[in-house]
Amino acid sequence: DIVMTQTPLSLSVTPGQPASISCKSSQSLLHSDGKTYLYWYLQKPGQPPQLLIYEVSNRFSGVPDRFSGSGSGTDFTLKISRVEAEDVGVYYCMQSIQLPPTFGQGTKVEIK
Amino acid sequence: QVQLVQSGAEVKKPGASVKVSCKASGYTFTSYYMHWVRQAPGQGLEWMGIINPSGGSTSYAQKFQGRVTMTRDTSTSTVYMELSSLRSEDTAVYYCARGAHIVVLQGWFDPWGQGTLVTVSS
Repeated sequence: DIVMTQTPLSLSVTPGQPASISCKSSQSLLHSDGKTYLYWYLQKPGQPPQLLIYEVSNRFSGVPDRFSGSGSGTDFTLKISRVEAEDVGVYYCMQSIQLPPTFGQGTKVEIK
Repeated sequence: QVQLVQSGAEVKKPGASVKVSCKASGYTFTSYYMHWVRQAPGQGLEWMGIINPSGGSTSYAQKFQGRVTMTRDTSTSTVYMELSSLRSEDTAVYYCARGAHIVVLQGWFDPWGQGTLVTVSS
């Protein structure tokens, strides 16, 4: 199975300040079809996860442009340009290049 | 709109089985994979398995092989996840999540059901 490792595991951010989360995979997530199957989700308290970013850097429908994703191969980053109160929750990266899909441990983001 | 609605919370005794349902609406049910993911209290996300609603084929995480069964009913656009031989460690919220179109296996999970809390306690 592909192991997904996120850092940091928790983050306390002042509103309006940037935040960054790293995700590393134990194998390359670049498929022979040219796509990289790395996703980012946010799970707000008491809710199911919601998709933020697909295929490394594409914002899902309705996701604010303060969220951005980057990276390639095995190293990926989610950035929030200016954190808002509604961004609190746990962020997960996920790979689906092969079964089983696997998730990072999660990064808990709170507001200072 | 695309929506997944799951069955309600369950309380089971150790050794029993539980069957959770997930009713899909707003899209062609047989065109997209469905995944099941669980989350123990205060823990992360754990993938359990996938079902192709078109033909009914399944693939399960090795951890759950022999204990989990995923089925579907195309007449009601509903998928089911049954977990047997329950133990306390199976206490978790169980989610269904729509996956990729069935012509490809890889893809994102969206949307997710609201989750079903299964509590295993004597």
